[in-house]
Order: sequence, then structure tokens, then C-alpha cells
Amino acid sequence: AQTVTQSQPEMSVQEAETVTLSCTYDTSESNYYLFWYKQPPSRQMILVIRQEAYKQQNATENRFSVNFQKAAKSFSLKISDSQLGDTAMYFCAFHFNFGNEKLTFGTGTRLTIIP
Amino acid sequence: DTGVSQNPRHKITKRGQNVTFRCDPISEHNRLYWYRQTLGQGPEFLTYFQNEAQLEKSRLLSDRFSAERPKGSFSTLEIQRTEQGDSAMYLCASSLGFDPDTQYFGPGTRLTVL
Repeated sequence: AQTVTQSQPEMSVQEAETVTLSCTYDTSESNYYLFWYKQPPSRQMILVIRQEAYKQQNATENRFSVNFQKAAKSFSLKISDSQLGDTAMYFCAFHFNFGNEKLTFGTGTRLTIIP
Repeated sequence: DTGVSQNPRHKITKRGQNVTFRCDPISEHNRLYWYRQTLGQGPEFLTYFQNEAQLEKSRLLSDRFSAERPKGSFSTLEIQRTEQGDSAMYLCASSLGFDPDTQYFGPGTRLTVL
């Protein structure tokens, strides 16, 4: 069975600093998709960034980037120039290749941006 | 595009009662997913639909749980004879159903079973 592990239950960082959230996963499949979702307090979950496992290039979305290490099964999220609005729970998730898109989530990292 | 909506947002019920939740996906989204999220955990997959067909159910979905998507639009999730262990946030997500298949989540229904 596939699993996703987020080893940092909570993190905090000063506004404008850079923070990296860790995620490891375990699967025997070779084709899959990885995601970081953000869940602000009392608000709905939104997609931050996605990575296709067949792509070697790391995905980037504005201040958000990932470090995808397929051999190590590691998928970390870097947030640059952190803002107060980045305060949220962050979930790492993945699903297999197209046709089986149920997401498997980690337990989340609670990130607090300190003014 | 009004996003995924879920009703009610909160539900408090007594053990043994039946409850029903509704999810309205983004229009034209073919796929609809239900997840359950307990405190301190990530969401766990329950079931999903491709149009009106229920394609997969998790082992978490006991026989007290039933989900429908009768016309391939909105979906309902019913829990019969609720138990305290059913207390959780029930999340709905929808997607277009073709690659890239991003899931868009609703705000969830928080169920409290007394």
C-alpha cells in the first residue's frame, strides 16, 4: 500500500523568510503525480503545486517550488518570501497515473508565518 | 464558476440517527470524490464517481455509508445509524476527468455525533 509521510507536524518562520516542508512517500509504481495542498484555517483546501513523476524538472509556481527526488521518494516544498497568508496546514499527496486519481494524503504540516 | 459547494456546513446529531450530506461539484466536472478528514489527519479517500457511476469504494466505507450521484451532477453521502467514530469533516472534490486531473475541494461538512 502506498503511504505519504510528513515528519514535521508544525513549523514557524518569520515573514519574508524561506521555509521548506518535507514529504516522503512509498510506492512501487513508477508513474504517479505528487501534490502539495494548502488548507487555511476554516477554509477549503486548494492546490499549491503538482509534479508529474516522469518529469525530471522540478515544478515551480511563483514563490512555491518543489525538490523532487524520485529515487529517494522525496518531495519537499519550498516557500520563498513567505507571507502571512501562507499560514495554513500543508498536505503532501499523490495519486497513481491517470485512471486512478484517488489522492493519498500525508498527515500535514501546520505552518505559521510570524509577522 | 462558483466552486464546489457542500451542505450543510455543520451537522450535529445524536448517535443512531441518519444524516445526509450534499455536494454540488463544479459544473461540467465529470468526477466527484468523497474524503473524510479527522482531527490531526490528512483526508482519507472514501469513494468516487465518474458521472453517475460509482467506480471505487474504500474499505473505510462501511455498509452504513452510501453515496449516490443520480444524474451525474450533485452527490449525496448518507450515514445510517451514526456512531461517535463517524465524527469528522467530510470533504467533496470534483475534477474534469482528464489529464491534468486537478481535484478542487469544497469547504466540507463537519459532522459531530453526540
